[in-house]
Amino acid sequence: SAVISQKPSRDICQRGTSLTIQCQVDSQVTMMFWYRQQPGQSLTLIATANQGSEATYESGFVIDKFPISRPNLTFSTLTVSNMSPEDSSIYLCSVSGRGLGTDTQYFGPGTRLTVL
Amino acid sequence: AQTVTQSQPEMSVQEAETVTLSCTYDTSESDYYLFWYKQPPSRQMILVIRQEAYKQQNATENRFSVNFQKAAKSFSLKISDSQLGDAAMYFCAYRGGGSQGNLIFGKGTKLSVKP
Repeated sequence: SAVISQKPSRDICQRGTSLTIQCQVDSQVTMMFWYRQQPGQSLTLIATANQGSEATYESGFVIDKFPISRPNLTFSTLTVSNMSPEDSSIYLCSVSGRGLGTDTQYFGPGTRLTVL
Repeated sequence: AQTVTQSQPEMSVQEAETVTLSCTYDTSESDYYLFWYKQPPSRQMILVIRQEAYKQQNATENRFSVNFQKAAKSFSLKISDSQLGDAAMYFCAYRGGGSQGNLIFGKGTKLSVKP
C-alpha cells in the first residue's frame, strides 16, 4: 500500500468561500481520484486527476465548482469553490498505479468539511 | 451501467461469532475486480479484501473471506471470530477491467459488534 495524507483533516467554512484540500502520497502514482461522501451516504467520484493532463469530471461535477490540480506524480489538490451548506461532506482522495498496481485504489484519511 | 447493491443497511454480530455481509452487482463486462472496504468512525477507507473476476478461488485475508459467485453476480464477505474493532461501515465496490476503471460503491452496511 502507500502512505496517503490529506490536509486539512477537517474545517468549518462560511458560505461563499473556497477551500483547497491537499492530497500527498509517499510514492509516485499514476492515478489520483477525488470522492465526495455526503452525510450517511456512500462515496461518489468527483473526478480523476492524471498528471500532465486535464482532470476528468463525472456527471454532475464541473471544473468551475471543483477545480483540481495535479502538478506531479505524488500530489493533487481539490478546491471546493463558492461553498454552500450542501457541500458539507467528507472529501477523500485515492490513488492507484505505479508500484501499487492499477486495479486497487488506496484511500487517504479524508477531509471533513462543514459549511455554515 | 454497472451497479452495486448492498441490501443490509445494518447488521449485528456477537463478539467471536461469524457474520456474512451481502453484495450483488450488475455488469456486462467479463473482466473486473470486486472489493470490500471498511470505514470505521475515523472515516479512513481501509481495503479489506479484493477479488479478481477471472479467479475462481475465493479470496481470503486472515479472518476475512469472500464467497464469489460469478454467475449469480454475488460477492459476500464473511468475517470470522468477530472482534470489537471490526465495528464499522463496510462498502462493497466494483471496478471494471480497464486500466482507468473507476470504483462504483454500494450504499454500505453498518456492522455492530456486541461484547
